[in-house]
Amino acid sequence: NAGVTQTPKFRILKIGQSMTLQCAQDMNHNYMYWYRQDPGMGLKLIYYSVGAGITDKGEVPNGYNVSRSTTEDFPLRLELAAPSQTSVYFCASSSGQGFGYGYTFGSGTRLTVV
Amino acid sequence: AQTVTQSQPEMSVQEAETVTLSCTYDTSESDYYLFWYKQPPSRQMILVIRQEAYKQQNATENRFSVNFQKAAKSFSLKISDSQLGDAAMYFCAYRVETSGSRLTFGEGTQLTVNP
Repeated sequence: NAGVTQTPKFRILKIGQSMTLQCAQDMNHNYMYWYRQDPGMGLKLIYYSVGAGITDKGEVPNGYNVSRSTTEDFPLRLELAAPSQTSVYFCASSSGQGFGYGYTFGSGTRLTVV
Repeated sequence: AQTVTQSQPEMSVQEAETVTLSCTYDTSESDYYLFWYKQPPSRQMILVIRQEAYKQQNATENRFSVNFQKAAKSFSLKISDSQLGDAAMYFCAYRVETSGSRLTFGEGTQLTVNP
Protein backbone atom coordinates (compact mmCIF):
# COMPACT_ATOMS: atom_id res chain seq x y z
CA ASN A 1 0.00 0.00 0.00
CA ALA A 2 1.18 3.51 -0.79
CA GLY A 3 2.15 5.60 2.17
CA VAL A 4 4.86 6.43 4.67
CA THR A 5 6.70 3.52 6.27
CA GLN A 6 8.61 3.94 9.51
CA THR A 7 10.92 1.39 11.07
CA PRO A 8 11.30 0.25 13.77
CA LYS A 9 7.95 0.62 15.56
CA PHE A 10 9.50 0.28 19.00
CA ARG A 11 13.04 0.60 20.34
CA ILE A 12 14.76 0.79 23.69
CA LEU A 13 18.16 2.50 23.74
CA LYS A 14 20.70 2.89 26.48
CA ILE A 15 22.05 6.33 27.29
CA GLY A 16 24.87 7.21 24.92
CA GLN A 17 23.89 4.75 22.19
CA SER A 18 23.08 5.86 18.67
CA MET A 19 20.47 4.75 16.19
CA THR A 20 18.79 5.65 12.92
CA LEU A 21 15.03 5.86 12.51
CA GLN A 22 14.08 4.95 8.98
CA CYS A 23 11.37 6.65 6.94
CA ALA A 24 10.38 5.84 3.37
CA GLN A 25 7.53 7.03 1.17
CA ASP A 26 6.43 5.76 -2.23
CA MET A 27 4.23 8.66 -3.31
CA ASN A 28 7.02 10.71 -4.94
CA HIS A 29 6.47 13.46 -2.38
CA ASN A 30 9.07 16.21 -2.32
CA TYR A 31 8.43 17.39 1.22
CA MET A 32 9.26 15.22 4.21
CA TYR A 33 9.22 15.93 7.94
CA TRP A 34 10.26 14.48 11.28
CA TYR A 35 8.25 15.29 14.40
CA ARG A 36 8.49 14.15 17.97
CA GLN A 37 5.53 13.81 20.33
CA ASP A 38 6.15 13.73 24.05
CA PRO A 39 3.46 12.12 26.27
CA GLY A 40 0.24 14.13 26.30
CA MET A 41 1.73 16.83 24.12
CA GLY A 42 1.54 18.09 20.57
CA LEU A 43 3.97 17.38 17.76
CA LYS A 44 7.19 19.35 17.53
CA LEU A 45 9.12 19.65 14.27
CA ILE A 46 12.68 18.30 14.38
CA TYR A 47 13.85 18.55 10.77
CA TYR A 48 12.32 18.85 7.35
CA SER A 49 13.31 18.48 3.72
CA VAL A 50 11.85 20.07 0.59
CA GLY A 51 13.66 17.75 -1.78
CA ALA A 52 16.61 15.42 -2.21
CA GLY A 53 19.78 17.04 -0.92
CA ILE A 54 17.93 19.82 0.94
CA THR A 55 17.28 19.71 4.67
CA ASP A 56 16.61 22.32 7.34
CA LYS A 57 16.12 22.54 11.09
CA GLY A 58 12.77 22.72 12.79
CA GLU A 59 11.92 23.75 16.36
CA VAL A 60 13.84 21.03 18.25
CA PRO A 61 16.84 19.84 16.17
CA ASN A 62 19.42 19.43 18.93
CA GLY A 63 20.67 15.87 19.28
CA TYR A 64 19.46 14.81 15.83
CA ASN A 65 20.75 14.72 12.27
CA VAL A 66 19.10 13.98 8.95
CA SER A 67 20.04 13.34 5.37
CA ARG A 68 18.02 13.17 2.16
CA SER A 69 19.92 11.47 -0.61
CA THR A 70 16.81 10.25 -2.44
CA THR A 71 13.23 11.47 -2.80
CA GLU A 72 11.94 8.31 -1.09
CA ASP A 73 14.04 8.15 2.08
CA PHE A 74 14.50 10.53 4.99
CA PRO A 75 16.35 8.86 7.89
CA LEU A 76 16.69 10.50 11.31
CA ARG A 77 19.90 9.89 13.23
CA LEU A 78 20.14 10.08 17.01
CA GLU A 79 23.66 10.46 18.33
CA LEU A 80 24.48 9.89 22.01
CA ALA A 81 20.91 9.14 23.10
CA ALA A 82 19.66 10.90 26.22
CA PRO A 83 16.54 10.26 28.39
CA SER A 84 15.09 13.55 27.09
CA GLN A 85 14.83 11.92 23.67
CA THR A 86 12.29 9.40 24.95
CA SER A 87 9.32 10.14 22.73
CA VAL A 88 7.20 8.98 19.82
CA TYR A 89 8.67 9.98 16.48
CA PHE A 90 6.54 10.59 13.42
CA CYS A 91 7.69 10.91 9.85
CA ALA A 92 5.37 12.61 7.37
CA SER A 93 5.37 13.61 3.73
CA SER A 94 3.57 16.03 1.45
CA SER A 95 3.55 16.56 -2.30
CA GLY A 96 4.38 20.24 -1.98
CA GLN A 97 1.92 20.99 -4.77
CA GLY A 98 -0.47 23.16 -2.83
CA PHE A 99 0.02 23.50 0.87
CA GLY A 100 -3.69 23.19 1.45
CA TYR A 101 -3.32 19.48 1.75
CA GLY A 102 -2.34 17.83 4.95
CA TYR A 103 0.45 15.37 5.46
CA THR A 104 0.60 11.65 5.04
CA PHE A 105 1.90 10.35 8.36
CA GLY A 106 3.78 7.21 9.22
CA SER A 107 2.59 5.07 12.11
CA GLY A 108 5.30 6.33 14.47
CA THR A 109 8.30 4.93 16.34
CA ARG A 110 8.14 4.70 20.12
CA LEU A 111 11.64 5.26 21.49
CA THR A 112 12.63 4.82 25.11
CA VAL A 113 16.09 5.84 26.36
CA VAL A 114 17.12 4.25 29.66
CA ALA B 1 6.71 32.78 15.06
CA GLN B 2 3.44 31.08 14.43
CA THR B 3 1.74 29.55 17.43
CA VAL B 4 -1.35 27.43 17.90
CA THR B 5 -3.15 27.32 21.25
CA GLN B 6 -5.69 24.79 22.43
CA SER B 7 -6.93 25.96 25.80
CA GLN B 8 -8.87 22.81 26.71
CA PRO B 9 -6.52 19.93 27.66
CA GLU B 10 -9.53 17.65 28.24
CA MET B 11 -13.18 17.62 27.21
CA SER B 12 -15.97 15.13 27.64
CA VAL B 13 -19.31 14.66 25.91
CA GLN B 14 -22.23 12.30 26.17
CA GLU B 15 -22.83 10.00 23.25
CA ALA B 16 -25.14 11.62 20.65
CA GLU B 17 -24.51 15.10 22.04
CA THR B 18 -22.52 17.96 20.49
CA VAL B 19 -19.13 19.20 21.61
CA THR B 20 -16.94 22.10 20.52
CA LEU B 21 -13.15 22.11 20.75
CA SER B 22 -11.40 25.47 20.76
CA CYS B 23 -8.29 26.62 18.93
CA THR B 24 -6.64 29.99 18.46
CA TYR B 25 -3.59 30.82 16.41
CA ASP B 26 -1.21 33.66 15.89
CA THR B 27 0.22 34.58 12.50
CA SER B 28 1.23 37.51 10.35
CA GLU B 29 0.64 35.56 7.13
CA SER B 30 -2.33 36.33 4.92
CA ASP B 31 -2.61 32.96 3.20
CA TYR B 32 -2.68 29.81 5.24
CA TYR B 33 -4.58 26.62 5.96
CA LEU B 34 -5.96 25.30 9.22
CA PHE B 35 -6.50 21.66 10.06
CA TRP B 36 -7.94 19.42 12.72
CA TYR B 37 -6.29 16.05 13.19
CA LYS B 38 -7.56 13.15 15.28
CA GLN B 39 -5.19 10.80 17.08
CA PRO B 40 -6.83 7.69 18.57
CA PRO B 41 -4.94 5.37 20.96
CA SER B 42 -3.41 3.65 17.93
CA ARG B 43 -1.28 6.84 17.49
CA GLN B 44 -2.34 7.16 13.87
CA MET B 45 -2.77 10.78 12.75
CA ILE B 46 -6.07 11.18 10.88
CA LEU B 47 -7.05 14.34 9.04
CA VAL B 48 -10.55 15.38 10.12
CA ILE B 49 -11.16 18.67 8.35
CA ARG B 50 -9.32 21.61 6.76
CA GLN B 51 -10.07 25.26 6.10
CA GLU B 52 -8.43 27.75 3.75
CA ALA B 53 -8.01 31.21 5.23
CA TYR B 54 -9.36 32.89 2.10
CA LYS B 55 -12.65 31.06 2.23
CA GLN B 56 -15.30 32.64 4.39
CA GLN B 57 -17.55 29.60 4.31
CA ASN B 58 -16.93 27.23 7.18
CA ALA B 59 -15.79 23.74 6.21
CA THR B 60 -18.02 20.75 6.93
CA GLU B 61 -17.32 17.02 6.76
CA ASN B 62 -20.31 14.92 7.78
CA ARG B 63 -20.66 15.33 11.58
CA PHE B 64 -17.62 17.61 11.81
CA SER B 65 -17.72 21.33 11.14
CA VAL B 66 -15.61 24.34 11.98
CA ASN B 67 -16.29 27.88 13.10
CA PHE B 68 -13.56 29.95 11.47
CA GLN B 69 -13.26 33.51 12.71
CA LYS B 70 -10.33 35.01 10.80
CA ALA B 71 -10.25 38.39 12.51
CA ALA B 72 -10.24 36.73 15.93
CA LYS B 73 -7.79 34.04 14.73
CA SER B 74 -10.07 31.37 16.05
CA PHE B 75 -10.76 27.95 14.57
CA SER B 76 -13.06 25.72 16.63
CA LEU B 77 -14.20 22.19 15.79
CA LYS B 78 -17.78 21.10 16.37
CA ILE B 79 -18.59 17.40 16.56
CA SER B 80 -22.29 16.64 16.27
CA ASP B 81 -24.00 13.40 17.28
CA SER B 82 -20.86 12.26 19.10
CA GLN B 83 -19.98 8.60 18.81
CA LEU B 84 -17.81 6.37 20.98
CA GLY B 85 -15.33 6.18 18.11
CA ASP B 86 -14.79 9.94 18.29
CA ALA B 87 -12.87 9.51 21.54
CA ALA B 88 -9.30 10.58 20.78
CA MET B 89 -6.77 13.35 21.09
CA TYR B 90 -7.58 16.20 18.72
CA PHE B 91 -4.93 18.54 17.37
CA CYS B 92 -5.43 21.88 15.72
CA ALA B 93 -2.72 22.72 13.17
CA TYR B 94 -1.70 25.60 10.95
CA ARG B 95 0.20 25.58 7.68
CA VAL B 96 1.78 28.27 5.50
CA GLU B 97 3.62 27.92 2.23
CA THR B 98 6.89 29.33 3.56
CA SER B 99 9.43 27.62 5.83
CA GLY B 100 9.08 24.27 4.15
CA SER B 101 5.31 24.39 4.27
CA ARG B 102 5.46 22.94 7.75
CA LEU B 103 2.52 22.13 9.99
CA THR B 104 2.53 23.78 13.42
CA PHE B 105 0.46 21.90 15.99
CA GLY B 106 -1.34 22.86 19.15
CA GLU B 107 -0.91 20.86 22.36
CA GLY B 108 -4.08 18.86 21.82
CA THR B 109 -7.44 18.25 23.48
CA GLN B 110 -8.25 14.81 24.86
CA LEU B 111 -11.90 14.04 24.08
CA THR B 112 -13.79 11.45 26.10
CA VAL B 113 -17.16 10.20 24.89
CA ASN B 114 -19.40 8.82 27.62
CA PRO B 115 -22.01 6.16 26.76
